Amino acid sequence: SQQGEEDPQALSIQEGENATMNCSYKTSINNLQWYRQNSGRGLVHLILIRSNEREKHSGRLRVTLDTSKKSSSLLITASRAADTASYFCATHDNNAGNMLTFGGGTRLMVKP
Amino acid sequence: DGGITQSPKYLFRKEGQNVTLSCEQNLNHDAMYWYRQDPGQGLRLIYYSQIVNDFQKGDIAEGYSVSREKKESFPLTVTSAQKNPTAFYLCASRFLTGGSTGANVLTFGAGSRLTVL
Repeated sequence: SQQGEEDPQALSIQEGENATMNCSYKTSINNLQWYRQNSGRGLVHLILIRSNEREKHSGRLRVTLDTSKKSSSLLITASRAADTASYFCATHDNNAGNMLTFGGGTRLMVKP
Repeated sequence: DGGITQSPKYLFRKEGQNVTLSCEQNLNHDAMYWYRQDPGQGLRLIYYSQIVNDFQKGDIAEGYSVSREKKESFPLTVTSAQKNPTAFYLCASRFLTGGSTGANVLTFGAGSRLTVL
């Protein structure tokens, strides 16, 4: 079962613009993570935010978490063509043992 | 150079055949996972293992089998009982030590693409 649902499913922007992706989930979580996947490749971990954190930064990435709304957002600032990829949120559910549950992903295209 | 190695990268199977996908990690990770990804979709968990000689079914285990005889290795067999096996298969691993950030993060292999002819 998929806990996280990303929105939008696809996003196309121009280089230099900001990209915002959202993730909603259903149960209480220990932490939420964002991963990136280039076409035909494995996923790469980007950032983890714990349930007691509200915002986290890593380079051009900014992640927010609102546990009352059970939602998170990933902001990529000053996007580059190389940011073109699919982005997935994954939740570490308090009741799901040691498993991460992935959403369906947002496919981001950054046009040069 | 630590990481997860999946092989083969591409695999073709005739109907009725079993095929085995290899996953090896040299990260000393405790847990290993197999996910299936269909085009344009997210990841669905097939099987996972937290310790040698033990594994649990994920959401879509039917038609698949695994073994965990060594900590480093977690091969996945796609059996003839899997009616629609054409997909991209991803292996992942992580530490299970509680409390640390690193323990929650998955490291993925590059994937294996299986096509049924």
